[in-house]
Amino acid sequence: AQKITQTQPGMFVQEKEAVTLDCTYDTSDPSYGLFWYKQPSSGEMIFLIYQGSYDQQNATEGRYSLNFQKARKSANLVISASQLGDSAMYFCAMREGRVGSSNTGKLIFGQGTTLQVKP
Amino acid sequence: DTEVTQTPKHLVMGMTNKKSLKCEQHMGHRAMYWYKQKAKKPPELMFVYSYEKLSINESVPSRFSPECPNSSLLNLHLHALQPEDSALYLCASSQIQLVQRGANTGELFFGEGSRLTVL
Repeated sequence: AQKITQTQPGMFVQEKEAVTLDCTYDTSDPSYGLFWYKQPSSGEMIFLIYQGSYDQQNATEGRYSLNFQKARKSANLVISASQLGDSAMYFCAMREGRVGSSNTGKLIFGQGTTLQVKP
Repeated sequence: DTEVTQTPKHLVMGMTNKKSLKCEQHMGHRAMYWYKQKAKKPPELMFVYSYEKLSINESVPSRFSPECPNSSLLNLHLHALQPEDSALYLCASSQIQLVQRGANTGELFFGEGSRLTVL
C-alpha cells in the first residue's frame, strides 16, 4: 500500500488565487514528520514546510500553509496568492519515527503534483 | 542559492566509463544522502551516511559506489552503468542529532542534482 498518496497529477491555478494540493499518508508510527518540497524544472528540491505529528497547530511559512488533519491522515498544502514562479512539481513526503532515529533522512515521497500557474 | 553543491550538473558517459559525482555542504550536517530520480517520478533513496559511515544501502547495484571522505563531502563513483541508470542524482544533507521538539525537523537540504545520461 502507498504510504504517501498525492491524487492530483496536475493542477492549474490562476495567478493570485489560492490552491490546495492534496496529500494523504499512512503510518502506524505515532512519531512522524511530514514535508512539502517544490521542484522546479531546474531539478533542485526546495523545502517549503514541515509538520510534526505532535504539533498542535498547522504549520505556516509565508504564503504556504499546511492543513493538517491527523485523524484523516491528510496534510494538504495551501498556497495563497499564487505567482507564476510557483509553477513546479510539488512533492509531499513523510519521515517515520523521530528525528535522530534510523529513519532520519529516509523520506517516503508521494508521486507528486505538477502545478501550473496561469497569468 | 542552494547550500548543497553538486558537480557536475550534467554528465554523459558510456557504459564502460568510470566517473564520479561530487557533493559538498558546509552546514555542519553529519548526515548525507544520495537519491535517484527518474523523470516525472519521486526521488528514491540510494544511500545514507551518518557521521561519515554508511548506514543505509537501499539494495543499490554495486556499479554505484558511494564514498564519504569527510563530513562535508560525499561522492558517488560510477562504473559500468546501464542506460536505465540515466536519471537525476540528488545529494542531500541534514542534521541527525536529537534535539528538543520543534528545533530540528530533520529537513533535508538538497542540491540541484547531477543529470546523468548513460549511452
